[in-house]
Amino acid sequence: DQQVKQNSPSLSVQEGRISILNCDYTNSMFDYFLWYKKYPAEGPTFLISISSIKDKNEDGRFTVFLNKSAKHLSLHIVPSQPGDSAVYFCAASRDGSSNTGKLIFGQGTTLQVKP
Amino acid sequence: NAGVTQTPKFQVLKTGQSMTLQCAQDMNHNSMYWYRQDPGMGLRLIYYSASEGTTDKGEVPNGYNVSRLNKREFSLRLESAAPSQTSVYFCASKVGTSGGGKQFFGPGTRLTVL
Repeated sequence: DQQVKQNSPSLSVQEGRISILNCDYTNSMFDYFLWYKKYPAEGPTFLISISSIKDKNEDGRFTVFLNKSAKHLSLHIVPSQPGDSAVYFCAASRDGSSNTGKLIFGQGTTLQVKP
Repeated sequence: NAGVTQTPKFQVLKTGQSMTLQCAQDMNHNSMYWYRQDPGMGLRLIYYSASEGTTDKGEVPNGYNVSRLNKREFSLRLESAAPSQTSVYFCASKVGTSGGGKQFFGPGTRLTVL
């Protein structure tokens, strides 16, 4: 049972335009969400996170939106740059001192930004 | 700081052989994790260690064992490799022992079992 789903395996956008990557989750106990970026032959690198007490978090060109009622989050990249071409994973976990911080990952979305 | 390091980078095994994947972090993190990444599956947790001296199973622990050797090092052992264990393995660490918070990943070990 896939608790975190990224239903779009790939996305192609033009340089300078907005990239929107989507992620859905089924477990209502998740309360902390992260996005990772992965280049080929490298490990994932942390991009941005959001706690369930917020519905938006921004960091430069990257913004994550959380819709708890829909169990949906999205990552917006504005403007998109060719260097953003990578695989993006969303991940979910349970916060709080009684939880071990295990991450559940989605399948990933490959973003291609065309010059 | 080197961050999270993994050895080896590549390995080819024959079915039934054993090997140990090594992971070390120099960030004084408490928690360490082993994941595998397969095409179309994302990353799946194999084992984790919330603190030195403790280890627990993740989503896909069968066929693997782990050792938290000290605070820095967390190894993953395949006792009798099977073709289904062909994958890319990532080690990660996190500063806290519980709750949310970002994990830092190593560069991965690409394992092929023939």
